[in-house]
Amino acid sequence: DGGITQSPKYLFRKEGQNVTLSCEQNLNHDAMYWYRQDPGQGLRLIYYSQIVNDFQKGDIAEGYSVSREKKESFPLTVTSAQKNPTAFYLCASSVDPAKNTIYFGEGSWLTVV
Amino acid sequence: AQSVTQLGSHVSVSEGALVLLRCNYSSSVPPYLFWYVQYPNQGLQLLLKYTTGATLVKGINGFEAEFKKSETSFHLTKPSAHMSDAAEYFCAVSRLGAQKLVFGQGTRLTINP
Repeated sequence: DGGITQSPKYLFRKEGQNVTLSCEQNLNHDAMYWYRQDPGQGLRLIYYSQIVNDFQKGDIAEGYSVSREKKESFPLTVTSAQKNPTAFYLCASSVDPAKNTIYFGEGSWLTVV
Repeated sequence: AQSVTQLGSHVSVSEGALVLLRCNYSSSVPPYLFWYVQYPNQGLQLLLKYTTGATLVKGINGFEAEFKKSETSFHLTKPSAHMSDAAEYFCAVSRLGAQKLVFGQGTRLTINP
């Protein structure tokens, strides 16, 4: 089945550690996105990528990093510089975000312990 | 810059009653407008979208929304609420040539038996 796969679903991070959230899509979409969701704050854009080997910062990129070495994959690393990383992270992809549907993965919960 | 305001972070209706979720947008150019639904611990699913053409847009699960340019609104309605409609709903805006969607804060819909 076509879709977006995020892993792991639940992840616990110790203070000072970097963690990487995986996002893979088999929809042949050029654009991919990472959003962060906190209660009462809606979705905030962390990074997005329109094509392979290119990505741009979103509204809250500090403390995060990404790579786009393959069209299918857009991993997000939450670094130790992110002071409040506990949140629900959503990966998405689209052929054309302005006119077409943005498809979302099932999300990953990150908790700092 | 584009922005979205969803009026009411929580809406509660009785089963069988009308559902009305409000969304107002700000855009200096013709907008593209979207409604997404999110069930607990899941990603977002597209309910409906407006890009051009007919201003009354029908979506999945009996929902519809009307684009009113004069009121800069895109309210979501459903004539008769069902228990399965309980979820969080997000309005989003984009435009021709945009590389991303801008989301509202979300409205949590509760259905009372």
